[in-house]
Amino acid sequence: AQSVTQPDIHITVSEGASLELRCNYSYGATPYLFWYVQSPGQGLQLLLKYFSGDTLVQGIKGFEAEFKRSQSSFNLRKPSVHWSDAAEYFCAVGTYSSASKIIFGSGTRLSIRP
Amino acid sequence: KAGVTQTPRYLIKTRGQQVTLSCSPISGHRSVSWYQQTPGQGLQFLFEYFSETQRNKGNFPGRFSGRQFSNSRSEMNVSTLELGDSALYLCASSLQDTGKDTQYFGPGTRLTVL
Repeated sequence: AQSVTQPDIHITVSEGASLELRCNYSYGATPYLFWYVQSPGQGLQLLLKYFSGDTLVQGIKGFEAEFKRSQSSFNLRKPSVHWSDAAEYFCAVGTYSSASKIIFGSGTRLSIRP
Repeated sequence: KAGVTQTPRYLIKTRGQQVTLSCSPISGHRSVSWYQQTPGQGLQFLFEYFSETQRNKGNFPGRFSGRQFSNSRSEMNVSTLELGDSALYLCASSLQDTGKDTQYFGPGTRLTVL
């Protein structure tokens, strides 16, 4: 069975600083990996996804993530955060068989220091 | 193209009552999934419908049920509400039902059980 761990519950970074949110997964085969963002009172928005191929994935809003099979990680990065990036970020792992068989991590809340 | 819409956005019920939530997927999407989000349990998969058939089901009691109509719109029903059912209920739609199909989330219905 697949599982996802986001070890950081809450992270605060200064505006303009770089960001890395950690995600570790467990899955027997090659996973499908996702990062979603949720702003307060909103649903989830897909930032990026990895299915295969290039291990460095570019997403929306200037985010990128790198799939490292040896470390079972899929960390999310952004070189310079903006105040509008304050939100909750969810890493998720899915399977080839179904779009809905997706397991979400517990989320990391990102706060931005002015 | 309009996104996923959910109605109502907010709902207050009392214990023992039942509730029906509605989800209209993105036009052309045939798969609709439902998730429950709570601070304690995070995002948990409820069930998925594809072409009016329930394809996958999460680990929730039988009080939680759903259906999908021929136009892909979906409803979920919770009977005999309990305090613990208070949550944000998210609906997501995808074009098909493979692992590579991106799920697009609606804004959710905030259910409060008193």
